[in-house]
Amino acid sequence: GDSVTQMEGPVTLSEEAFLTINCTYTATGYPSLFWYVQYPGEGLQLLLKATKADDKGSNKGFEATYRKETTSFHLEKGSVQVSDSAVYFCALRNNTNAGKSPFGDGTTLTVKP
Amino acid sequence: SQTIHQWPATLVQPVGSPLSLECTVEGTSNPNLYWYRQAAGRGLQLLFYSVGIGQISSEVPQNLSASRPQDRQFILSSKKLLLSDSGFYLCAWSVRGLGQPQHFGDGTRLSIL
Repeated sequence: GDSVTQMEGPVTLSEEAFLTINCTYTATGYPSLFWYVQYPGEGLQLLLKATKADDKGSNKGFEATYRKETTSFHLEKGSVQVSDSAVYFCALRNNTNAGKSPFGDGTTLTVKP
Repeated sequence: SQTIHQWPATLVQPVGSPLSLECTVEGTSNPNLYWYRQAAGRGLQLLFYSVGIGQISSEVPQNLSASRPQDRQFILSSKKLLLSDSGFYLCAWSVRGLGQPQHFGDGTRLSIL
């Protein structure tokens, strides 16, 4: 079945450092890909998405490009802030999975001042 | 605009007691609805999802059950809670369509004593 694999955390960075969180997927067909963010004690929020190959999703300085050839959707940010500290989840949605959306296990990011 | 309400925010229950968590969605019709559990420091585990009234799919065998008595109401229940039921429970909804993300409630922190 469809699945998502994220790089294991936790990730600790200094403020203004460059961030990459790797995400790869396994799916039939042409899924849509998502990144969600979860701040402590809260639910998940959609951060960005891409619906077809070579699309780039972007929001709040974060970017991710849908790479079908490498089945990847890596999250990047050029300069992280302390307020970016959160758990990040990669997910996909496929028209073959009845509305289910497999999630990665989440990557905890801590940004230190 | 669409909103999702999930309550209570926190709940402390003794082992063997019943459980009822409620989730309602406003501003949309016939959404897909989901219940997830998130153990401390872990990823999301899909428990149940529903594509319509009275239609419930269970992903993990356990002592929990779900019901959808109305189009935008999703209830998670248990007759007798176990210690292992402790966790952070999240309700989510989505509209149909390949590129549609899930929208999460604020979660319920359940502690079993």
